[in-house]
Amino acid sequence: ETGVTQTPRHLVMGMTNKKSLKCEQHLGHNAMYWYKQSAKKPLELMFVYSLEERVENNSVPSRFSPECPNSSHLFLHLHTLQPEDSALYLCASSQRGGINGDTQYFGPGTRLTVL
Amino acid sequence: AQKITQTQPGMFVQEKEAVTLDCTYDTSDQSYGLFWYKQPSSGEMIFLIYQGSYDEQNATEGRYSLNFQKARKSANLVISASQLGDSAMYFCAMREGLQGAQKLVFGQGTRLTINP
Repeated sequence: ETGVTQTPRHLVMGMTNKKSLKCEQHLGHNAMYWYKQSAKKPLELMFVYSLEERVENNSVPSRFSPECPNSSHLFLHLHTLQPEDSALYLCASSQRGGINGDTQYFGPGTRLTVL
Repeated sequence: AQKITQTQPGMFVQEKEAVTLDCTYDTSDQSYGLFWYKQPSSGEMIFLIYQGSYDEQNATEGRYSLNFQKARKSANLVISASQLGDSAMYFCAMREGLQGAQKLVFGQGTRLTINP
C-alpha cells in the first residue's frame, strides 16, 4: 500500500448503529487529520493529531470520536449519527517541518450515508 | 468573512487550451501557504501545487503553475495544454502560518470540464 488509505470506501448505517472509519498513512508522516465534505459546502476540518496528540477539535459533536493509536493510524468512531452527517469523510496526513509547507496528502475518502 | 474565494463555480474549456482558475484569499498573517488540490469524481483530493507567502517565484509543477499576486491576495492556478483527464473539481486552500499541523481552509471549488 502507498499513500493514504481509508476503509471502508462506502458505509451505510442507521442512526442507532456504531461504526468506525479507519485511515492509514504509509508516508512516514507525523500529523493526521479528519475532514468532512458535505454537498455544496467547503471541506471542514474536524480533528488534527500531531505526534499522536489531538491538537484541534473543531467544535465537532461528541457523536464523532477520533482515536490516533500511533502516527500511522487514525480512526473516527461514529455513534448515534444524524442524517445530516451523511458526507464524504476524508483523512489526510502531513509531515511537520516537511517540504512544500507541510503539504497534506489525502486518502480516497469514505462515503457515509446515515439513514 | 470567507477566507478563500473561488468565484467560478464551473468552467468549460476546449482540450489543449490553457485555463486559469481564480482564487483570492484573506489573511492578516505575514506567513501563510497556498495550495491547489484536484478532486476527480472518485473523491480523492490530489495535491497539485504549493506557494509559500515568502516565495518570490511563482510555483510550477509540470503543466500547473500558480500565478501568485501577493498585493492583490490572489493565487490563480494555470493549467497549460489541458487534457480530458483534467476534468474535475479544483480547490484552492490556505494554511495560516508557515509550518506545523495547522488546518487548511478550503474554497468552494471550481468544476472544470474539458471538452474534446
